[in-house]
Amino acid sequence: ILNVEQSPQSLHVQEGDSTNFTCSFPSSNFYALHWYRWETAKSPEALFVMTLNGDEKKKGRISATLNTKEGYSYLYIKGSQPEDSATYLCAFRGYGGSQGNLIFGKGTKLSVKP
Amino acid sequence: EAGVTQFPSHSVIEKGQTVTLRCDPISGHDNLYWYRRVMGKEIKFLLHFVKESKQDESGMPNNRFLAERTGGTYSTLKVQPAELEDSGVYFCASSLLDPNEKLFFGSGTQLSVL
Repeated sequence: ILNVEQSPQSLHVQEGDSTNFTCSFPSSNFYALHWYRWETAKSPEALFVMTLNGDEKKKGRISATLNTKEGYSYLYIKGSQPEDSATYLCAFRGYGGSQGNLIFGKGTKLSVKP
Repeated sequence: EAGVTQFPSHSVIEKGQTVTLRCDPISGHDNLYWYRRVMGKEIKFLLHFVKESKQDESGMPNNRFLAERTGGTYSTLKVQPAELEDSGVYFCASSLLDPNEKLFFGSGTQLSVL
């Protein structure tokens, strides 16, 4: 059984703090790693799709790194703002699975206090 | 451009009844996926359409679930007869055919089976 683990489960930070969280996934049979941002009652929104070991992607104040050999990815948020409050989901895709056959973690719920 | 739309947003039914969920993907997206999130757990893959064909239905829980995508446009997911354990949020997503494309999610249908 393939598992994707995210830590921490939840995180409370003050506005302006920088933060990061972890996604651990199987290190074998890797094809891609997705990050999504999900606000309750809204649609999960894609942040990054990462495929190459050592890849680093950036979108505004959010960035992510990927280590496929050891099976982890970090998501960083620089200078957190209240509007960053959401659940951040990572999802693993292995070889052999269809394009959308993603294995999701349970997410890290971020709360940013003004 | 319209995003992925799902209908209804909420559905409350009794055990044994039938419910049909609908998903309209982004125009031009040949890939369409269904996922489910049971409360407190991770989002789980149900199935994947490429146009009107089922590419991967390995995540469908049992034969009470029937998904269709006639004409390769919108899709329906029917649960008949519904059981208590079917309660959860059903997400639909769509994407272009490029295997590294991100997924665009709808905001989900909250299904409650009483």
